[in-house]
Amino acid sequence: QVQLVESGGDMVQPGRSLRLSCAASRFSFSSHSMHWVRQAPGKGLDWVAVISYDGSNKRYADSVKGRFTISRDNSKNTLELQMSSLRVEDTAVYYCARGDIVFDGTIVPLPLDHWGQGTLVTVSS
Amino acid sequence: DIQMTQSPSTLSASVGDRVTITCRASQSVGSWLAWFQQKPEKAPKLLIYKASLLESGVPSRFSGSGSGTEFTLTISSLQPDDFATYYCQQYDTSFSYTFGQGTKLEIK
Repeated sequence: QVQLVESGGDMVQPGRSLRLSCAASRFSFSSHSMHWVRQAPGKGLDWVAVISYDGSNKRYADSVKGRFTISRDNSKNTLELQMSSLRVEDTAVYYCARGDIVFDGTIVPLPLDHWGQGTLVTVSS
Repeated sequence: DIQMTQSPSTLSASVGDRVTITCRASQSVGSWLAWFQQKPEKAPKLLIYKASLLESGVPSRFSGSGSGTEFTLTISSLQPDDFATYYCQQYDTSFSYTFGQGTKLEIK
């Protein structure tokens, strides 16, 4: 059973930084792209960022570009999200989720088929 | 960037009803469309991928259709466990992985 466990959520002041982690297990982590998705209280799902299976490609939502950095360590099966210059509107539950798979050198598009339980980030003065 | 628009935003229905939720994309996403179910305080659960393929373990009363810019999720006979919020998401890697705004399915 695929397992994704987020950690690092906390309450921080606007303008500060925070690093989230996602520990992956029970699947070939280094074969999949990985995503961060967030959900503000009472709101819908908001895609944040994706990193390719090998870390060579990263994409971000416009709302976080230049402030958030996604990274991964395939030797440790971990995904991270470094968040800086945090704003009140970044308050949300942050989920990591599994995406595309690389197979025989070809990337096969996959939906976000497994999600963690989420970690809460609160940005407030 | 691509916009995903779901309708309706809220849907009231009864157990046993057939319901349909629509998702429209501002540009063609081919068949790279997924549907998720989310219950309060829980992570989203994948129901349908590639527009019409049923994820393993998902009841057959759920079905998806469409391609290009218009997609539908249908629940053939609502069960009590189906009252939740539903989201579509496009995963065409040419674009950002945009979600629809969600459809809350409520008990009438």
